[in-house]
Amino acid sequence: AIQLIQSPSSLSASVGDRVTITCRASKAFSSTLAWYQQKPGKAPKLLIYGGSNLETGVPSRFSGSGSGADFTLTISSLQPEDFASYYCQQFNSFPLTFGGGTKVEIK
Amino acid sequence: EVQLVESGGGLVQPGGSPRLSCAASGFTVSTYEFNWVRQAPGKGLEWISYISGSGSLYYADSVKGRFTISRDNAKNSVYLQMNSLRAEDTAVYYCARSAFWSGSYYFDHWGQGILVTVSS
Repeated sequence: AIQLIQSPSSLSASVGDRVTITCRASKAFSSTLAWYQQKPGKAPKLLIYGGSNLETGVPSRFSGSGSGADFTLTISSLQPEDFASYYCQQFNSFPLTFGGGTKVEIK
Repeated sequence: EVQLVESGGGLVQPGGSPRLSCAASGFTVSTYEFNWVRQAPGKGLEWISYISGSGSLYYADSVKGRFTISRDNAKNSVYLQMNSLRAEDTAVYYCARSAFWSGSYYFDHWGQGILVTVSS
């Protein structure tokens, strides 16, 4: 199974900050990677698919990049509604796997 | 509007066998692939099962042999039969639809989640 290691597991940031979350895979694969945002008590919400494609309706301050075994989610200017947990997920092979998550908290 | 609504959860005794349902509306399930994902209290997301339109099935090792995913196109629903439940199966269970675009898969719609608590 492909393991996804997210870092950091949590971070504190202020409104307006640039935030970067990384997702490192145990083996390289094509950009079959998605990013989700999850708020407490809610279902995850798709942000990015195919490594870098922004889901319709998601603000452009979110972006994804990377290939091989290293992927990144960037929030260019953190907004109050962005404080949440973020997960990466690979679709290269079964079992599908998620990263351990990154909790973005208010500084 | 696309909606997925899970039901069938609740308090279950160890060894119990509940069946979760995922009722879809706003689209036809026969043309999509589906998954079940769970999240233990305070923990991350764990993919556990997948069903394709043609009936291909995949499971996480943690549930293989105990859980069975199925679909009923006539009822526009997807199911998860859970057997031999253990305390570690306690989690919120989500139904998620797979989508495919431009060479990439992703989960584009999720249900609201249903809590299954395994306890005596």
